[in-house]
Amino acid sequence: DIVMTQSPDSLAVPLGERATINCKSSQSVLYSSNKKNYLAWYQQRPGQPPKLLIYWASTRESGVPDRFSGSGSETDFTLTISSLQAEDVAVYYCQQYYSSPLTFGGGTKVEIK
Amino acid sequence: QVQLQESGPRLVRPSETLSLTCIVSGGFIRSYSWGWIRLPPGKGLEWIGYVDYSGSTSYNPSLKSRGTISVDTSKNQFSLKLDSVTTADTAVYYCARGEPNCAGDCYIYWGQGTLVSVSS
Repeated sequence: DIVMTQSPDSLAVPLGERATINCKSSQSVLYSSNKKNYLAWYQQRPGQPPKLLIYWASTRESGVPDRFSGSGSETDFTLTISSLQAEDVAVYYCQQYYSSPLTFGGGTKVEIK
Repeated sequence: QVQLQESGPRLVRPSETLSLTCIVSGGFIRSYSWGWIRLPPGKGLEWIGYVDYSGSTSYNPSLKSRGTISVDTSKNQFSLKLDSVTTADTAVYYCARGEPNCAGDCYIYWGQGTLVSVSS
């Protein structure tokens, strides 16, 4: 299984400031034939199902605000919230879909400082 | 608008079988894959497995062959059965649709989730 490790476990950021979440996979999730990274990011607010934010490591899902961006390749990935808003308080998860079983990171809780 | 809704018992006794159904509305079950994911209390998300419209399945080996996912295209629904449950199977269970944009293995549409507790 590919192990996904997120850091930090939690972070508190002032409103309007940048939040950065890291995700590291135990092996590369870059598929050489199509040069795509099989990596997605989700946001989960309390009491809600996860919401897909980013797929292919950097493609924003339709309707997701452009303050959310994804970057990275192979084994190291980052989700950046450029200007934290109150509604961004949530737990964020990375997920690899390079191989079965699909696996998620342990989650990063984002709060307002 | 595609909607998914989980249904099934909220309380299951240890060693018994957990059974959940996901009813899909606002879209056809054909041409997609359909997954189950769970969130144990205080832990992260865990992928359980998926079924596609033809009935092909894949499961997380962590379940140790206890899981069965099936699809009923005539009723536009799919189901999860998990045998020999223990308290470690207590979790919020989500059903979700696999998206073709990410090779069928990331999820845009989710059910609201249902908390299933395993307790005697």
